[in-house]
Amino acid sequence: AIVLNQSPSSIIASQGEKVTITCRASSSISSNYLHWYQQKPGAFPKLVIYSTSYRASGVPSRFSGSGSGTSYSFTISRVEAEDVATYYCQQGSSNPYTFGAGTKLELK
Amino acid sequence: QVQLKETGPDLVQLTQTLSITCTVSGFSLTTYNVHWVRQPPGKGLEWMGAMWNGGGTDYNSAFKSRLSISRDTSKSQVFLKMNSLQTDDTAKYFCARRKGSGYFDYWGQGVMVTVSS
Repeated sequence: AIVLNQSPSSIIASQGEKVTITCRASSSISSNYLHWYQQKPGAFPKLVIYSTSYRASGVPSRFSGSGSGTSYSFTISRVEAEDVATYYCQQGSSNPYTFGAGTKLELK
Repeated sequence: QVQLKETGPDLVQLTQTLSITCTVSGFSLTTYNVHWVRQPPGKGLEWMGAMWNGGGTDYNSAFKSRLSISRDTSKSQVFLKMNSLQTDDTAKYFCARRKGSGYFDYWGQGVMVTVSS
């Protein structure tokens, strides 16, 4: 199974700050198959970035992604209050289609 | 519009069988794939298995032979059945639509299932 190591596990940021989350895969993944979700408490995960760098419909431009091979990153250029959530990376390349352990973003 | 909705029990007894139905609308099960993902309280997301648009299934080996996924295309429903439930199967169970590159673009609200002794 491909293990996705996400870091950090939590972030405390100020509004307007830039935050970056890293997702490292235990084996190489095509960039087409690495995706990011945002989950707010009590809600389902919402797709934010698909195929490494494509924003899902309606997602603000402050969200971006990059990476290749085994190393991927997710960035919020200027954190807003509504971005408080847990973020997960996910690989759709091979069974089991694993998720990272999540990064909880809180506001200072 | 695309919707998925899970229905199932709130409470299941230890060692019993869990049955959850995912009813979809706005798309066809013969065109799109529907997967199951679960999330224990306060923990992360775990992929469980898939119903592919062609009718085949795939399972996470972590569930060994406990898990079964099936569908009724005439009713636009996908079914999850898992037997021999333990307390660590307490979780919110989601169904989600998968797109070609393996991402889940639409999700149900989830159903919270508690396994009770």
